Amino acid sequence: EVQLVESGGGLVQPGGSLRLSCAASGFTLSSYWMHWVRQAPGKGLVWVSRINGDGGSTSYADSVKGRFTISRDNAKNTLYLQMNSLRAEDTAVYYCTRSSYSYGQFDYWGQGTLVTVSS
Amino acid sequence: QSALTQPPSASGSPGQSVTISCTGTSSDVGGYNYVSWYQQHPGKVPKLMIYEVSKRPSGVPDRFSGSKSGNTASLTVSGLQAEDEADYYCSSYAGSILLFGGGTKLTVL
Repeated sequence: EVQLVESGGGLVQPGGSLRLSCAASGFTLSSYWMHWVRQAPGKGLVWVSRINGDGGSTSYADSVKGRFTISRDNAKNTLYLQMNSLRAEDTAVYYCTRSSYSYGQFDYWGQGTLVTVSS
Repeated sequence: QSALTQPPSASGSPGQSVTISCTGTSSDVGGYNYVSWYQQHPGKVPKLMIYEVSKRPSGVPDRFSGSKSGNTASLTVSGLQAEDEADYYCSSYAGSILLFGGGTKLTVL
C-alpha cells in the first residue's frame, strides 16, 4: 500500500526556518517525481516545488524560490522541504505528493502537515 | 506564474450535468495536454479524478469526464450525486512548473 507521511510542521516566527519530511512506503521512491503542494486555511491548492527521481532536477514556484529547497534521500525513502525566511503567507498545510512524470498528475497524497508562521 | 482561472462556484440538481471550466494560457493549458482535475471534500486530501485532459484513473466513475479547447479545459460531472459535492481544482503543466486553479465549489442542490 502506497503511503506518504509528512512531519515537521509547527509554529515558527517570521524569518525562521523549518524542515518538512515526507516518509514514503509501498513503492520505489526513486521511480517518481515528488512534489510539495500547500493549502492555506480556507484557500486553494498551490504547487510549491518538485524534484525528479535522482534529485538532479528541481523547480520552484516564484513565491518560494530562493527561500525553499527541496531534496530527497531515496535510500531513506524520504522527501524533504527546507523552508527558510518564512513569512506569514507561508502559513498552510503542506502536502507531499507523487507523480510518475514531470508534468504532474498527482496520484497519491500525504495527509499534510500544518505550518504556522506567526509571532 | 498566475493561477489558472476557475469559477468560484457551480451547482446542479441530482441527476443533472455540470461543467466546470479552467482557463489558462498558451503557456500552460493551451500548450500541453497535461491537465488534471482533483476533487477535495472538506477536511480531506485531494483525489485525482482526471489526468492528461480526459483520462480517468482506475476507480473513478465514468460520470466524470474531461476535455480541452484552446486555453480552456473543462470537467463535466454527469448524473450528479450528493457525494459529488466538493471542491474541484484543475492543474496544468507549464514547462518547468505546475499551476493550480483557484478551485470551484460544486453544490448539489
